[in-house]
Amino acid sequence: SQTIHQWPATLVQPVGSPLSLECTVEGTSNPNLYWYRQAAGRGLQLLFYSVGIGQISSEVPQNLSASRPQDRQFILSSKKLLLSDSGFYLCAWSVRDDQPQHFGDGTRLSIL
Amino acid sequence: DAKTTQPPSMDCAEGRAANLPCNHSTISGNEYVYWYRQIHSQGPQYIIHGLKNNETNEMASLIITEDRKSSTLILPHATLRDTAVYYCIVDNYGQNFVFGPGTRLSVLP
Repeated sequence: SQTIHQWPATLVQPVGSPLSLECTVEGTSNPNLYWYRQAAGRGLQLLFYSVGIGQISSEVPQNLSASRPQDRQFILSSKKLLLSDSGFYLCAWSVRDDQPQHFGDGTRLSIL
Repeated sequence: DAKTTQPPSMDCAEGRAANLPCNHSTISGNEYVYWYRQIHSQGPQYIIHGLKNNETNEMASLIITEDRKSSTLILPHATLRDTAVYYCIVDNYGQNFVFGPGTRLSVLP
């Protein structure tokens, strides 16, 4: 069966520091991969999605970037975090475009 | 903006059926209806999805109206563990999910 792993579960970072969140999927090949952010009390916002290695589509302009160095690895990065980057970051995968997405347990990021 | 409209909150008695409505009046012919739920501090959990026909799985049933402009998610025997925020999403290729505020379902003992 397929599983998705995100780490770390929680992270506290100072303003201006870099960020790297990692997501890996097991049990499937060539999945679509997604990064979402959920601000406190808000709905989920799609940040990036990828249909293959090195293929990244950005939905929202921000100081975040995403990379997909391997088929089942998706990384969310920032060179300098802002206070507004605080939130709950979720990674998701799907088999193909019209199939449901399945989410990881998320990373709760707090910026001080 | 979300393409769906859901009531902000609902209550349901434990053991009774929970019927969660969703309006998607601008749905197009190739768009699916997906339902997810999110329990506090966890990632959203996929429940069910459908295109035209009603669907049922071990978690829930999805009833889509004939004109496809609305749907209802049915949890046949709600338990306290079903307390969560339920999201109805309309999308065609599954790449651009837009999560609205959802419906906060409270299952009461």
